[in-house]
Amino acid sequence: KAGVTQTPRYLIKTRGQQVTLSCSPISGHRSVSWYQQTPGQGLQFLFEYFSETQRNKGNFPGRFSGRQFSNSRSEMNVSTLELGDSALYLCASSWGTGGDEQYFGPGTRLTVT
Amino acid sequence: TQLLEQSPQFLSIQEGENLTVYCNSSSVFSSLQWYRQEPGEGPVLLVTVVTGGEVKKLKRLTFQFGDARKDSSLHITAAQTGDTGLYLCAGPPAPGNTPLVFGKGTRLSVIA
Repeated sequence: KAGVTQTPRYLIKTRGQQVTLSCSPISGHRSVSWYQQTPGQGLQFLFEYFSETQRNKGNFPGRFSGRQFSNSRSEMNVSTLELGDSALYLCASSWGTGGDEQYFGPGTRLTVT
Repeated sequence: TQLLEQSPQFLSIQEGENLTVYCNSSSVFSSLQWYRQEPGEGPVLLVTVVTGGEVKKLKRLTFQFGDARKDSSLHITAAQTGDTGLYLCAGPPAPGNTPLVFGKGTRLSVIA
């Protein structure tokens, strides 16, 4: 069974631009969660989608948004990029919502200059 | 907010040594999960502990959930260079359908 895939793996953007990251979950998983990982803050929860509905949202500004499609694939968008948005963005899929065991993708390394 | 504190933050040991890392909280968790993350990759689930006092073994790794379900430990016997990575604990706040809370992790380096 194929794992979680994320594209692109690396991205360099400049301040003020926007970016869209993509995630394909494990086949059969209906829940997709997004996390931001930085050395200082660790793994921080962004949001979770289940059957195309946002179920949970972390404490991030409205510049961070996401969506999920009918095939469970998910995208997250960050608008008006700031230097502090530089991070590893991880997508994880699971069978159910909330605290289910997470299966992570390799992440997208975003650098904002 | 339920926090998970992991210690030590960094650990560097020689191959063959034993080690224990800790995950502590002031709150009760219904279960705790342990993940290992290698450089350039996403975290990989190692184990989930559910019952207070539970002990699970995964080859040379032994995981324990505290009796009060507020803490957990990971013990590695005879560490190998392949054990190098970031060890993360995570748990769903109890009760309810809320996202996982992650600790900041223990970064382990095993030197040959």
